[in-house]
Amino acid sequence: QKEVEQNSGPLSVPEGAIASLNCTYSDRGSQSFFWYRQYSGKSPELIMSIYSNGDKEDGRFTAQLNKASQYVSLLIRDSQPSDSATYLCAVKNSGAGSYQLTFGKGTKLSVIP
Amino acid sequence: DAGVTQSPTHLIKTRGQQVTLRCSPKSGHDTVSWYQQALGQGPQFIFQYYEEEERQRGNFPDRFSGHQFPNYSSELNVNALLLGDSALYLCASSFGVRETQYFGPGTRLLVL
Repeated sequence: QKEVEQNSGPLSVPEGAIASLNCTYSDRGSQSFFWYRQYSGKSPELIMSIYSNGDKEDGRFTAQLNKASQYVSLLIRDSQPSDSATYLCAVKNSGAGSYQLTFGKGTKLSVIP
Repeated sequence: DAGVTQSPTHLIKTRGQQVTLRCSPKSGHDTVSWYQQALGQGPQFIFQYYEEEERQRGNFPDRFSGHQFPNYSSELNVNALLLGDSALYLCASSFGVRETQYFGPGTRLLVL
């Protein structure tokens, strides 16, 4: 059973601070990783994808990947109240003929004005 | 650029009934995946359709079936509904072997 683990939170940060969201995964062969944001009652919205070890930046968001440690993180700089949502980590399973994404349960982020 | 669309948005059924959910992929996409998301959980993979064939299936019973049409739209059918089938059903589309999946707004199913 391939698993993706996230702290459920809630994670509370003050407005303007850096929010750090973490994710570990069990499938050592996984090569593709995704972060989605999900507002309450809405569907997941893609924030970033990352495929190589290291950092990938997109605006206020930075994804970090360490395949040796099987660890993915998402940093949100200058957090805004509008960033308050549940953040889902998703990992594409490895293996030939595998196309599914395995999701964590999500971390609920609350940005306090 | 049209995004992923799903219908209906909400649905109420009773135990034992059957339901059909529909999805139209994002323009230019040819692959459709279906997920079930229970309250407080992450989405769980049901199956993926590509070239009108089920390409991969998750750990869901045969009561869950699907179809993809030549225009790449897709249906999810659930037979003999159980209370536990109450969830948000998400359709995600992607293009070919590219892995990035984009989600539609979802269909919220309540089974009474």
